[in-house]
Amino acid sequence: QSVLTQPPSASGTPGQRVSISCSGSSSNIGSNAVNWYQHLPGTAPKLLIYTNNQRPSGVPDRFSGSKSGTSASLAISGLQSEDEADYYCAAWDDSLKGYVFGIGTKVTVL
Amino acid sequence: EVQLLESGGGLVQPGGSLRLSCAASGFAYSSYAMAWVRQAPGKGLEWVSTISYSGTDTYYADSVKGRFAISRDNSKNTVYLRMNSLRAEDTAVYYCVKGHIVLDYWGQGTLVTVSS
Repeated sequence: QSVLTQPPSASGTPGQRVSISCSGSSSNIGSNAVNWYQHLPGTAPKLLIYTNNQRPSGVPDRFSGSKSGTSASLAISGLQSEDEADYYCAAWDDSLKGYVFGIGTKVTVL
Repeated sequence: EVQLLESGGGLVQPGGSLRLSCAASGFAYSSYAMAWVRQAPGKGLEWVSTISYSGTDTYYADSVKGRFAISRDNSKNTVYLRMNSLRAEDTAVYYCVKGHIVLDYWGQGTLVTVSS
């Protein structure tokens, strides 16, 4: 059981908007920035969103992040087949003095 | 171009030891914290350990505390993970990662299998 709670799966048809939630607590999301990672099977994970809502260079603006209180969310607009992957939220936890990941959300493009 | 190349993975018996290495290039290595993250078969990502840019500060997940040790050699642009008293549940792909809070570059990973 992870410190950060994500739905195990999400899906949508091409072009749709998909949103993934990430719920934490005051010791992690409530007091630290949230980052999101995309992981395609057989490849290295990739930083997708950092510091709640910032996109690294090269990440399409279809991906957006937000945070409010002890929750965060990742939105994928204009869903594409290449977006099929596992998505993880993560943050530093002040109580655990460690980095915590959510369980991951598998996004399927129908 | 940032490159992180892990090595040292393999098959080890329960209770055994292994040292992973990660050679970094393409960035000012000595200015950045480095981390190890693992993924067990069929499971999600799990943070293992982080070391500060100077090596002064280290952090560990509770699951490996007392058994694993992270270190770095800034003259060789290399970070290490010494793993002792290995258990079956340590079986995973281990990723070397640049960063502390923002893990912005990941290696391809090295597989560690703990089995008799």
